[in-house]
Amino acid sequence: SAVISQKPSRDICQRGTSLTIQCQVDSQVTMMFWYRQQPGQSLTLIATANQGSEATYESGFVIDKFPISRPNLTFSTLTVSNMSPEDSSIYLCSATGGASEETQYFGPGTRLLVL
Amino acid sequence: EDKVVQSPLSLVVHEGDTVTLNCSYEVTNFRSLLWYKQEKKAPTFLFMLTSSGIEKKSGRLSSILDKKELFSILNITATQTGDSAVYLCAVEFSSNTGKLIFGQGTTLQVKP
Repeated sequence: SAVISQKPSRDICQRGTSLTIQCQVDSQVTMMFWYRQQPGQSLTLIATANQGSEATYESGFVIDKFPISRPNLTFSTLTVSNMSPEDSSIYLCSATGGASEETQYFGPGTRLLVL
Repeated sequence: EDKVVQSPLSLVVHEGDTVTLNCSYEVTNFRSLLWYKQEKKAPTFLFMLTSSGIEKKSGRLSSILDKKELFSILNITATQTGDSAVYLCAVEFSSNTGKLIFGQGTTLQVKP
């Protein structure tokens, strides 16, 4: 199974600032995704991080607010821009499509608090 | 609209009890159904189901899928306090995109 790490694990930020979250997978994977889990809620897909091209965003999420990069098959970043308290959530990276793997694995998440 | 619904939303049992968690879905282009256990942050993978009627087992946990009735169950026998967690059901839809839609989760509390 793929091992996924995220940095930072948690952060407290001021409104109006931006935070970039990094996701590193220990092997090459086909697909990487970013999810948001708001307090007391389940996971909601933000976007699919496409290697070498623009991310594919789900309804309700836009590139200006959540720019995503994926420069190679093992790494992706999510930026939460111009943050407000409503952005306080856990942000999780996931990956699937490694060697003979179809299961989707998740990183440990980044807990973000915006004041 | 694609959706995944889990029941019950919360459950309190005592050690040794057997529990059954339910997951029903309505999605286009169903590909697979996955169960995860979430204790603190990262959901940890339990099962992936793609075919009806084939039970998957891992220790005291088992799961089965019914693609005709569009639901899955997760059974936990002889529950332990370490089973206390949120159990998430997710369905991969729009075939081969890898995208998952999650249910609300079932919060299980196992008391000593």
